[in-house]
Amino acid sequence: AQSVTQLGSHVSVSEGALVLLRCNYSSSVPPYLFWYVQYPNQGLQLLLKYTTGATLVKGINGFEAEFKKSETSFHLTKPSAHMSDAAEYFCAVSEGGYGQNFVFGPGTRLSVLP
Amino acid sequence: GAVVSQHPSRVICKSGTSVKIECRSLDFQATTMFWYRQFPKQSLMLMATSNEGSKATYEQGVEKDKFLINHASLTLSTLTVTSAHPEDSSFYICSAQTSGGTDTQYFGPGTRLTVL
Repeated sequence: AQSVTQLGSHVSVSEGALVLLRCNYSSSVPPYLFWYVQYPNQGLQLLLKYTTGATLVKGINGFEAEFKKSETSFHLTKPSAHMSDAAEYFCAVSEGGYGQNFVFGPGTRLSVLP
Repeated sequence: GAVVSQHPSRVICKSGTSVKIECRSLDFQATTMFWYRQFPKQSLMLMATSNEGSKATYEQGVEKDKFLINHASLTLSTLTVTSAHPEDSSFYICSAQTSGGTDTQYFGPGTRLTVL
């Protein structure tokens, strides 16, 4: 069975500061890992994903994440926060292959302070 | 590419009525679609997995007779909430997976259901 934990249900950063959203997973098979962003009353937008290959993955809007197998982590970072980054962020894991049955983390709400 | 739409975006209905929500993949064929439910300030809860041309697979605790899912074509899946009650009020989100078993789910914008 797979599971995802996201440390910190709410993270606040100042505009221009580093964004770090934590995600740890457990999986019995090599995982596929995803970060999604959700703006209020909207669906989820894929930020980035790791399947195989390079462990540092770059996504949209300046976000990137690094898959660290030894730490079972897939933390999301952005060097400089922008006000428009304020949203809910979800980490998800699947068993890869045909990608069935995503398991989502509880989410982290990012606030960006002026 | 990989756009998923949902209709309606918002619906208000009276208790006891049925509501149908449509999920469409606009620019790709989706052999598999997923239906999620999201409560306020919570994560997504998978309700069911829908494969084109076959019966949906429901997660444990989800009433299949209450939440009817039809996946009649490679671009359309529908969720019908039958005899809706106020506790069914929620944000319903669908996602679609491209044909060929690729790894990514693309999400619709969600439908907010309010049952009075």
